[in-house]
Amino acid sequence: EVQLVESGGGLVQPGGSLSLSCAVSGFTFSGDWMTWVRQAPGKGLEWVGNIKQDGIDKDYLDSVKGRFTISRDNAKNSLYLQMNSLRAEDTAVYYCARWIWGRLDSWGQGTLVTVSS
Amino acid sequence: QSALTQPPSASGSPGQSVTISCTGTSSDVGGYNYVSWYQQHPGKAPKLMIYEVNKRPSGVPDRFSGSKSGNTASLTVSGLQAEDEADYYCSSYAGSNNLAFGGGTKVTVL
Repeated sequence: EVQLVESGGGLVQPGGSLSLSCAVSGFTFSGDWMTWVRQAPGKGLEWVGNIKQDGIDKDYLDSVKGRFTISRDNAKNSLYLQMNSLRAEDTAVYYCARWIWGRLDSWGQGTLVTVSS
Repeated sequence: QSALTQPPSASGSPGQSVTISCTGTSSDVGGYNYVSWYQQHPGKAPKLMIYEVNKRPSGVPDRFSGSKSGNTASLTVSGLQAEDEADYYCSSYAGSNNLAFGGGTKVTVL
C-alpha cells in the first residue's frame, strides 16, 4: 500500500523558518519525481515545487523561489521542504505527492503551517 | 505560473450529469495532453480521478470522464451520486516541470 505521511507543521512567526518532512512507503521512492502542493485555508490547490529522482533538478513556484528548498533522501525514503522567511500568505496545508507525467497519483494527508505573530 | 479557470460551482440532481470546464492557454491545457482532475472531500487530501485528459486510475468509477478541446478541458460526472458532492480541481502540465491548478469547483448534489 502506498503511503505518504507529512510531518513538521505548526505555528511560526513571520520571518521564521520551518522544515517539513514526508515519509514514503509502498513504492520505489528513488524512481519517481516528488512534489509539494499547498492549500491555504478555504482556498484552492497551489503547486509549490518538484524534485527529480536524483535530487538535483528542482523547480519552484515563483513566489517561493529563494525562500523554500526541496530536498530528498532516497536512502530514507523521505522528502523535505525547508521554508525560510515565512510570510502570512504561506499559511496553508502542505501536501507531498508523487508526480508521474504531470499527474499526482498519491498524496499524503497534509500538514498545517500557520504563519502568524 | 497562471491559474486555470474553473466555475466556482456546479450542481445536479441524483442520476443527472454535471460537466465542469477548465480553461487555460496554449502554454498549458492546449499545449499538452497532461490534464488531470482531482476530487477533494472536506478535510481530506485530493484524489486523482482523471489523468492525461481522459484516463481513469484503477478504482475510479466510469461515471467520471474527461475530454479536451483546444485550451479547455472538461470533467463530466454522469449518474450523480451523493458521494460525488465534493470540490473538483483540474491541473495541467505547464512546461518546465511546472504544474498549474484550477481554482476549484464545488459540486453539489441537489
